[in-house]
Amino acid sequence: AQKVTQAQTEISVVEKEDVTLDCVYETRDTTYYLFWYKQPPSGELVFLIRRNSFDEQNEISGRYSWNFQKSTSSFNFTITASQVVDSAVYFCALTPSTGNQFYFGTGTSLTVIP
Amino acid sequence: DTGVSQNPRHKITKRGQNVTFRCDPISEHNRLYWYRQTLGQGPEFLTYFQNEAQLEKSRLLSDRFSAERPKGSFSTLEIQRTEQGDSAMYLCASSLETAVDYGYTFGSGTRLTVV
Repeated sequence: AQKVTQAQTEISVVEKEDVTLDCVYETRDTTYYLFWYKQPPSGELVFLIRRNSFDEQNEISGRYSWNFQKSTSSFNFTITASQVVDSAVYFCALTPSTGNQFYFGTGTSLTVIP
Repeated sequence: DTGVSQNPRHKITKRGQNVTFRCDPISEHNRLYWYRQTLGQGPEFLTYFQNEAQLEKSRLLSDRFSAERPKGSFSTLEIQRTEQGDSAMYLCASSLETAVDYGYTFGSGTRLTVV
């Protein structure tokens, strides 16, 4: 069974603060892919980052960075120097290697206060 | 190509009526997916197509729901005899079969309200 848990329902930060969004997943697959998507009020899910199960190297892309740890089945996402435009709902998602379907968490609503 | 297009953006219908939504994927994408998202939840998988073949359906897709992709291009999702519990955002996404690990491209969704 596949499952994604985002324990943080809502987070509020003041502009320019760093914020980390937590994600814990469950899967029995050895090959899988993890994603973070952003959903602004317009409703469209926007791809942010991806990571495959064989690559635990953590990276930074602009103001985004992620921490993937297979030992704890976590895939946390950090926004550095948050901006008001970062306000949205963020979803963590898992898909097996076949990519047949995504399993989404329940989302974390981020509000960045100016 | 302007991405995945969904129509209509909003639909209000009376309980018991039938509704149909349309999704136009990115033209070169051979996979097309339908998801449903209720308030405060993440999207839930409904079904997906590879070209014109419907390869997988979720248990969420009751017999009142039917999806088609007749020519392997656009897709329609029909809900018959709508119920209030069908109120949700219906999201369409597309991808290349060979690049599913790069994720999907989602449309903006169709928000259905059943009154």
